[in-house]
Amino acid sequence: QKEVEQDPGPLSVPEGAIVSLNCTYSNSAFQYFMWYRQYSRKGPELLMYTYSSGNKEDGRFTAQVDKSSKYISLFIRDSQPSDSATYLCAMKGGSWGKLQFGAGTQVVVTP
Amino acid sequence: EAGVVQSPRYKIIEKKQPVAFWCNPISGHNTLYWYLQNLGQGPELLIRYENEEAVDDSQLPKDRFSAERLKGVDSTLKIQPAELGDSAVYLCASSKESSTDTQYFGPGTRLTVL
Repeated sequence: QKEVEQDPGPLSVPEGAIVSLNCTYSNSAFQYFMWYRQYSRKGPELLMYTYSSGNKEDGRFTAQVDKSSKYISLFIRDSQPSDSATYLCAMKGGSWGKLQFGAGTQVVVTP
Repeated sequence: EAGVVQSPRYKIIEKKQPVAFWCNPISGHNTLYWYLQNLGQGPELLIRYENEEAVDDSQLPKDRFSAERLKGVDSTLKIQPAELGDSAVYLCASSKESSTDTQYFGPGTRLTVL
């Protein structure tokens, strides 16, 4: 079993809808949680960075971490066709720990 | 500010041939990472450098893979000989420090082994 599980999708939503993405994990030592966006033929780009539990909002993006359930989420409000990409969750234990990535969820926002 | 630069972007070779990838990190970034990304998967760390020193290479298949970071700036990753299963995207990333700093990724080198 992988340490980080993520549904690969694809997840197709109409423009303007809310995109809901999530990951589950098994390692209770994870403390740092990230969401990356990866466009086709590009490298991952950091979207959100959260330490420990709680919510974090940045523009149209909201990240949630529930350490008791070992579950993290990313919400994208007012989705745009330009949000079509693969979204990867990533997490690590201590500040010097190795990043563990999920497999990524492909999101398609249709006009 | 220039991002992480990788070359070549694409490489097609036959099995048993050698191949090398080059990475130039963001200026001032002390930590450099090489990742492997298979199709439909997230990146997996191969090796991490702190300046010139390889501090985490536990996932690097040392029988055929090698890496170096001379002078603590540019880095090269080599595979010799390549196998069919090595076909993947090889990503380079850098950060100011490896603790809590953001990792910035390059566009990757897409390797196809025939």
